[in-house]
Amino acid sequence: AQSVTQLGSHVSVSEGALVLLRCNYSSSVPPYLFWYVQYPNQGLQLLLKYTSAATLVKGINGFEAEFKKSETSFHLTKPSAHMSDAAEYFCAVSDQGSSGDKLTFGTGTRLAVRP
Amino acid sequence: KAGVTQTPRYLIKTRGQQVTLSCSPISGHRSVSWYQQTPGQGLQFLFEYFSETQRNKGNFPGRFSGRQFSNSRSEMNVSTLELGDSALYLCASSWGQGGYGYTFGSGTRLTVV
Repeated sequence: AQSVTQLGSHVSVSEGALVLLRCNYSSSVPPYLFWYVQYPNQGLQLLLKYTSAATLVKGINGFEAEFKKSETSFHLTKPSAHMSDAAEYFCAVSDQGSSGDKLTFGTGTRLAVRP
Repeated sequence: KAGVTQTPRYLIKTRGQQVTLSCSPISGHRSVSWYQQTPGQGLQFLFEYFSETQRNKGNFPGRFSGRQFSNSRSEMNVSTLELGDSALYLCASSWGQGGYGYTFGSGTRLTVV
């Protein structure tokens, strides 16, 4: 079974500072990896995805993530935080197989942005 | 382009009752998945349907069931509700398997009292 570990359940940064949210995965086969964002009382919005093409993936709202196989990591970064980035972020891995498809999520990281 | 639509948005039920939640996927999407989100357990996979067939099921009791119709719309049912079933239930749709990524609805907030 695949799994995802998100280090740091809460991260706080100042507006304009670098955002770094960590994600490590466990998989016996090449994975598909995703980052989702969730705002209060809403569903999940896809930020970006890795599907074995380029290892540096650019997403919406200025976010990007780099797939590092040797480190089994897929950390999410943004050069300059905005107040509107305050939300909860989830890393997920796609568990493929003949029995179907599902996402396995990390426990989430709540990002706070200080003015 | 319409997104994933979940109804109702909020629901309050009494312990022991049953509930049915509905999900309309993005037009053309044939895969529909359901997830339960709680503060204690996080996001947990319930089941996935593709072309009316359940392809995968999470580790939930048989009280949780679902189905998908020929137009890809899906419903999930929870019978004999327990207090612990209070959660945000999220539906997600996709073109197919793996790398497409899933688009999520806004969820149904179920409260069991």
